[in-house]
Amino acid sequence: GDSVTQMEGPVTLSEEAFLTINCTYTATGYPSLFWYVQYPGEGLQLLLKATKADDKGSNKGFEATYRKETTSFHLEKGSVQVSDSAVYFCALSDLNTGNQFYFGTGTSLTVIP
Amino acid sequence: NAGVTQTPKFRVLKTGQSMTLLCAQDMNHEYMYWYRQDPGMGLRLIHYSVGEGTTAKGEVPDGYNVSRLKKQNFLLGLESAAPSQTSVYFCASSRTSGGPTQYFGPGTRLTVL
Repeated sequence: GDSVTQMEGPVTLSEEAFLTINCTYTATGYPSLFWYVQYPGEGLQLLLKATKADDKGSNKGFEATYRKETTSFHLEKGSVQVSDSAVYFCALSDLNTGNQFYFGTGTSLTVIP
Repeated sequence: NAGVTQTPKFRVLKTGQSMTLLCAQDMNHEYMYWYRQDPGMGLRLIHYSVGEGTTAKGEVPDGYNVSRLKKQNFLLGLESAAPSQTSVYFCASSRTSGGPTQYFGPGTRLTVL
């Protein structure tokens, strides 16, 4: 079945460091891919998305490219800030499975000044 | 425009008690979802609805019931709460399932003693 695997955390970085959070997926069809962010005590918010192979999603300095050949959607940011501290979830939605969303287990990021 | 709201924000129950969680959205979305979030397990889909009067089971439906009598509301019921249902519950909605964004509520933290 469909699934998402993302790197385990927690991840701790210094301010202005480079961030990569790995995400790979398994899907029977051609899924759409998403990154959601959850700040402490809040619900999930869409960070970025890509709906087909080679698409790049971007928002707030974060980027992720839909790589069909490696079934990956890694999240990157060139220079993290303290305000980026949150939990990040990779997710997919697949037409072949009734358009349900499948989420990874989340990666906690802490950015220290 | 409040988006997705959830009531209550916190609740403590004793084993065997019942309760209903209310989710409301003002975006005229067709699709609504209930998830639970547990440490190390990400989000798991409990039940979902593709329109008023319809419901369907997700990944972990046992012990829960749902109703969608009005398009804007999606209720999650626990008939006889168990400690294993201690979790954070999130409601989400989307215009159509899949590609478009799922919008999340702020969550309900439920503790079953």
